[in-house]
Amino acid sequence: GENVEQHPSTLSVQEGDSAVIKCTYSDSASNYFPWYKQELGKGPQLIIDIRSNVGEKKDQRIAVTLNKTAKHFSLHITETQPEDSAVYFCAATGRTGANSKLTFGKGITLSVRP
Amino acid sequence: NAGVMQNPRHLVRRRGQEARLRCSPMKGHSHVYWYRQLPEEGLKFMVYLQKENIIDESGMPKERFSAEFPKEGPSILRIQQVVRGDSAAYFCASSRQAYNEQFFGPGTRLTVL
Repeated sequence: GENVEQHPSTLSVQEGDSAVIKCTYSDSASNYFPWYKQELGKGPQLIIDIRSNVGEKKDQRIAVTLNKTAKHFSLHITETQPEDSAVYFCAATGRTGANSKLTFGKGITLSVRP
Repeated sequence: NAGVMQNPRHLVRRRGQEARLRCSPMKGHSHVYWYRQLPEEGLKFMVYLQKENIIDESGMPKERFSAEFPKEGPSILRIQQVVRGDSAAYFCASSRQAYNEQFFGPGTRLTVL
């Protein structure tokens, strides 16, 4: 089955700096890669996603890149703000029969220092 | 436009009791997924359902756990004879179709005493 690894496990940046979070996946058949932000006591919130037919996607301060050959994808947050502090999860899924379950990484805690 | 709703938000059970967790998907969504999150860990897939059908239950423990998504009403995750190891946050997600974006509810935090 799919295995998603996420690193580093914690990241601390100064407000205004950029943050980059990287994930690797094992199943070359995976073709959909969402990123979720989870604040304390809340459910995961979808912030951006990318499908395997594109290499990069951007939405305001957030961007995601995908390298299918190397089987890794990254989340880029520019001009970080204290409200960006949260746990970020990457995930992957592929078309395996009728299954669209997500396999998640273990998450990274991002701290933005004011 | 209400999001995914889960109730209760917090549930306390004693060992051996039953826990019932409810999930109402977003309007127009007919696909429901349940995930479990243990402390300091990511989310683990449990089961994927469409109306009246279980599509994939490969992540469900073999015993004590069951799930349903009836034609009318919310999806239910049932845990019988709970044990302390069942203590976790249980999240439900829904999507409009398979392979579409999954949107998560706020979760049910189960504590087994």
